Amino acid sequence: DQQVKQNSPSLSVQEGRISILNCDYTNSMFDYFLWYKKYPAEGPTFLISISSIKDKNEDGRFTVFLNKSAKHLSLHIVPSQPGDSAVYFCAASVIRGGADGLTFGKGTHLIIQP
Amino acid sequence: KAGVTQTPRYLIKTRGQQVTLSCSPISGHRSVSWYQQTPGQGLQFLFEYFSETQRNKGNFPGRFSGRQFSNSRSEMNVSTLELGDSALYLCASSLDADTQYFGPGTRLTVL
Repeated sequence: DQQVKQNSPSLSVQEGRISILNCDYTNSMFDYFLWYKKYPAEGPTFLISISSIKDKNEDGRFTVFLNKSAKHLSLHIVPSQPGDSAVYFCAASVIRGGADGLTFGKGTHLIIQP
Repeated sequence: KAGVTQTPRYLIKTRGQQVTLSCSPISGHRSVSWYQQTPGQGLQFLFEYFSETQRNKGNFPGRFSGRQFSNSRSEMNVSTLELGDSALYLCASSLDADTQYFGPGTRLTVL
């Protein structure tokens, strides 16, 4: 039973355009959501997070949107740059702090084309 | 601040052996979590330690165990290795299980 789903295994976007990565979850108890970026042979790098009490959080080129009623969150990257090419993981936790551990999606491979 | 470090980076073992992986968290971080990443299952939570106590455990068999020392460094042990244990093992640290910061991982290959 996959509680966090990233339905697009890959996404190709032109450099300079907006990249939108999507994530759906089924557990209504999740109250903290994070996005991580991962390069091959490296650990995930934290990008941005959002608490369930908010619907938007912005950090530079990265914005995360949360729609609790739809159990959906998305990561927007504007403008997309070649260095953004990586696998992006959506993660969620029941207790903010992840004492129950983070539940990850399977990832979306973002490819930025010149 | 130095990031999370994990040793060794690569390890090759044979079935039936046991292995110990080490993780040093970011200075000041007291929570350490371990995850297993495989192509089929993705990233899965193994367990989390805080102040030398295991606070929670994921759905893994008892062959997977861990501990945390007073300086917050953590070790993970896998006994009686199976082929399916081949994976990237990731350690993450946080102040108190809030945003988790990951190390580079240990790539374990079981032959």
